[in-house]
Amino acid sequence: GAGVSQTPSNKVTEKGKYVELRCDPISGHTALYWYRQSLGQGPEFLIYFQGTGAADDSGLPNDRFFAVRPEGSVSTLKIQRTERGDSAVYLCASRLTASDPEEQFFGPGTRLTVL
Amino acid sequence: AQTVTQSQPEMSVQEAETVTLSCTYDTSESDYYLFWYKQPPSRQMILVIRQEAYKQQNATENRFSVNFQKAAKSFSLKISDSQLGDAAMYFCAYRSAGSQGNLIFGKGTKLSVKP
Repeated sequence: GAGVSQTPSNKVTEKGKYVELRCDPISGHTALYWYRQSLGQGPEFLIYFQGTGAADDSGLPNDRFFAVRPEGSVSTLKIQRTERGDSAVYLCASRLTASDPEEQFFGPGTRLTVL
Repeated sequence: AQTVTQSQPEMSVQEAETVTLSCTYDTSESDYYLFWYKQPPSRQMILVIRQEAYKQQNATENRFSVNFQKAAKSFSLKISDSQLGDAAMYFCAYRSAGSQGNLIFGKGTKLSVKP
């Protein structure tokens, strides 16, 4: 079946602009995670959704970052007033449920470049 | 807080040879999962192998095996009969058992395979 998809694959924007990054999880997966991977680093957790609700947003770096999942499927990560430091690969992962031993399946990521 | 450390930024192996990638972690929890993920240039995180902390037996998946030393908090990955397609970034990751499931990653090891 189809895996996790993310659009766009690459996004170039200017400092101060607003961007939206989209994640389509595997159908039926209730848990969804966003991670940010800066150059030369491992992915870092941003936010976790269980269904439609953000169950843990402790990884969001500041209030310029926001994410939604209104129907419990597709999720959008929104970044306001982008800064050069926001440049990174944003990875999305989905999981059938948030219970062990279910595993996360990752999308190919969106590479965000802020000029 | 849990941390994951990969002390080898880069490793190189000859095709058909064996290579071991190192990972150490820090936690006060007794029940958790450990993972090795492969990230090729396509950016897609691919699960290579996982180990449940309560299992003493080391996990094995074809040419990939781990050496899990719980007391030492060490979790190394051994790749046997290395192939050109094994060249990628490898990330060690930790997940608390029974939690919401977000992963904590190390910084990664870049593996090169020489023909």
